[in-house]
Amino acid sequence: DIVLTQSPALAVSLGQRATISCRASQSVSISTYNLMYWYQQKPGQQPKLLIYRASNLASGIPARFTGSGSGTDFILTINPVQADDIATYYCQQNRESPWTFGGGTKLELK
Amino acid sequence: EVKLVESGGGLVQPGRSLKLSCAASGFSFNDYWTGWVRQAPGKGLEWIGEINQDSSSINYTPSLKDKFTISRDSAQKTLYLQMSKLGSEDTAIYYCATISGSSGFAYWGQGTLVTVSS
Repeated sequence: DIVLTQSPALAVSLGQRATISCRASQSVSISTYNLMYWYQQKPGQQPKLLIYRASNLASGIPARFTGSGSGTDFILTINPVQADDIATYYCQQNRESPWTFGGGTKLELK
Repeated sequence: EVKLVESGGGLVQPGRSLKLSCAASGFSFNDYWTGWVRQAPGKGLEWIGEINQDSSSINYTPSLKDKFTISRDSAQKTLYLQMSKLGSEDTAIYYCATISGSSGFAYWGQGTLVTVSS
């Protein structure tokens, strides 16, 4: 299985930039396609798709969310961080079955 | 509006079976792969499996393949998860979701809680 590793938590101040990383145990890219996805989950809610194929913003997601990366290293950036962004963020790969998720990064206020 | 509504969760005794349902509305259900993801209390997300549009292809995460069965009824626009031999490790919120290689898990239901306990 492809293992996705995320830092458990990140503390950030409102209005600042948050950088959340995800490292895969093997490449999740095929040709020009980077099969990495990012989700936001708030307490008591279902996950919500933020970014698909590493860098594409899902419908209705604010432009302060951006995704980048290829191969094994990916980043979700939130800039500037707003109070509504306090949540847990998960990366997920569709390169190889079984589809796997990272352990999640909990974004906290400094 | 896209809606996925899970039902069928609750308290179940160890070793018993349970069947979850996921009713879809507001989009072309029959155009999508759909599947199940679960989340144990305070833990991360775990993909269970998926089924294609005409049920000809069904994939599972290997550790759950012998316990769980996914099916769908296109006429009823409903996805199912049959769970057997349940243990305490299966206690979780179970989400249904649409799945595609281009957009990942795009739409999610609100989840249904399954608690396995005597």
